[in-house]
Amino acid sequence: AQKVTQAQTEISVVEKEDVTLDCVYETRDTTYYLFWYKQPPSGELVFLIRRNSFDEQNEISGRYSWNFQKSTSSFNFTITASQVVDSAVYFCALSEAVTSGSRLTFGEGTQLTVNP
Amino acid sequence: NAGVTQTPKFQVLKTGQSMTLQCAQDMNHEYMSWYRQDPGMGLRLIHYSVGAGITDQGEVPNGYNVSRSTTEDFPLRLLSAAPSQTSVYFCASSYGGGNPGTQYFGPGTRLLVL
Repeated sequence: AQKVTQAQTEISVVEKEDVTLDCVYETRDTTYYLFWYKQPPSGELVFLIRRNSFDEQNEISGRYSWNFQKSTSSFNFTITASQVVDSAVYFCALSEAVTSGSRLTFGEGTQLTVNP
Repeated sequence: NAGVTQTPKFQVLKTGQSMTLQCAQDMNHEYMSWYRQDPGMGLRLIHYSVGAGITDQGEVPNGYNVSRSTTEDFPLRLLSAAPSQTSVYFCASSYGGGNPGTQYFGPGTRLLVL
């Protein structure tokens, strides 16, 4: 069975600090997909990134960056120079193989609060 | 494109009542799914569909029914509501095929069962 663990329940930082959200996953498949979603206070789920298991290149998008390491089964998310608008719950999720494309296993989420 | 739409946004039910949560997408996505979100538990999969006429159970299917008669619609039925079904419900859709697409979520339905 697949599992996603986000050990940090809540993180509080001051604006402009860098912050890393941890995600550790378990799966028996060799082909899988990892995702990060953002849930702002308004409640919708916003897609941030999708990564497949064969691509271990780190990715940067503006102030956001992701570090995928298969050796430690981790897919961590870093926000550089955090802003108040980054305050949200962030979810890491896993999808196994082709036939499971419609099934995501989510972590419990990390509540990030960025204080001015 | 409206993306994934859900109705209603908020609903209050009494124990034992039934209702249907509506979900529609206009992106011609094959895959559709229903999740529930409870505090401290992330999102959990209720039911999913890989195409019209095909549905299957997810992690927490008890008390819920689904059907998929068209590509666009994927309603979730609560047969006899219970307080344990108080939750926020999200519908999602994605492309199918050999490379599973990213799931895009609707705005959610907040359900309170008294």
